[in-house]
Formats: sequence, structure tokens, C-alpha cells
Amino acid sequence: GEDVEQSLFLSVREGDSSVINCTYTDSSSTYLYWYKQEPGAGLQLLTYIFSNMDMKQDQRLTVLLNKKDKHLSLRIADTQTGDSAIYFCAESSAGRRALTFGSGTRLQVQP
Amino acid sequence: DGGITQSPKYLFRKEGQNVTLSCEQNLNHDAMYWYRQDPGQGLRLIYYSQIVNDFQKGDIAEGYSVSREKKESFPLTVTSAQKNPTAFYLCASSTPGEGYGYTFGSGTRLTVV
Repeated sequence: GEDVEQSLFLSVREGDSSVINCTYTDSSSTYLYWYKQEPGAGLQLLTYIFSNMDMKQDQRLTVLLNKKDKHLSLRIADTQTGDSAIYFCAESSAGRRALTFGSGTRLQVQP
Repeated sequence: DGGITQSPKYLFRKEGQNVTLSCEQNLNHDAMYWYRQDPGQGLRLIYYSQIVNDFQKGDIAEGYSVSREKKESFPLTVTSAQKNPTAFYLCASSTPGEGYGYTFGSGTRLTVV
């Protein structure tokens, strides 16, 4: 079946860049997503990328997609304490019933 | 403002009791989903519905039931057959379009007492 994997934890200092990585197995993925979850809350869609794109930039967020290696990354520039949260990678493909989510990466930003 | 409302935010269930979690959306989305979140395990799909009066089992449907009588509403019942129901439950909705991204509710934390 489809699988999405992420590392569980990342710690950075305020002002540094954060890079959160994700790998997936489904070669027919059409869209890949990054969601953010703050404590006790639902998931908030941060950004997404279509599978025929290599990169997408949105303010402090940069998404890189290596379709050959099935590797997705999210770079957060100038990371702030308010960026501390769990970040989920997810993917979809045509005809699939629902998004498949990774287990989430907890980002801790130290002042 | 449009969005998804889940209620209650916290719910306590006694052993052997059925409880129902509410999910309402005013986004005019066709599809709705229920996910369960456990620490370190990400989100697992319980049930989903792509249209009114139709729903399908997800990966962990045992011990749960749903209904979709209205487009706006997709309640989830956690039955006594669910042996380990303590978790954070998330409802989401989506509509076909660019990105097919989901809008999530704020979640219900269910605890067995």
C-alpha cells in the first residue's frame, strides 16, 4: 500500500532555517501537501505542490520535490518560535479515496 | 466565515457506552472524512463520504459508524465495540479542485474513564 514517512523530531534555533523531509512510495501521486498542527488543534494547510513541479515558494516556505527519488521537503526560512508545531506531509493520487498522511515531524524552535 | 465545526472539544466515555462526535461544515464541500490521531502515529482514516447518503470504510473502521444524511453533517459514533477509543478525532472536508486540499475541524479529544 501507499506509505509516507517522516522523521519524528527536529530542533532548530530561532532565526535559522528549518528543513523537514518526507518520502513517499506511490509513483502516481498527483499532489503533495504540507500541513501544520499546533497543540490541541486541527491541521492547517500550509502549501501544496503539483507532481510535475520541482519547487514552489510561498513567502518563508519553500517546497522542493524530487519525483525520481519520491522525496519532498519543506524549508522554513528565518524560523520563529511561533513555527513550533507538528508538520505533516500528505499525498494524493487520482482515483484514491483520501489523502495519505505521514506520522508528522515535531519542530521545536529554541529562542 | 466558512469552516468546519467539531463538537464537543472534550468527551469522556464510560466503558460499554456509545458516544457520537459531531462534525458540521458550511463550505459546501461534497466530501467529508474522519481521521483518528494517536501520538506518533499520524492520521489514520476511519470513514469517508464523497456524497450525501453514501460512505465508505477507511483503514480502521471497526468499532465506528457514521451517517451522511445531509451534505453539511457527518457524525461519527464510537461504539462499545471499539476497544481502545481514547484518541484525538479529526473531521475534514474537501471538494474537487486544484490541490484537493482538506479543511480540518479543530478536533475532539475522547477519553475513556
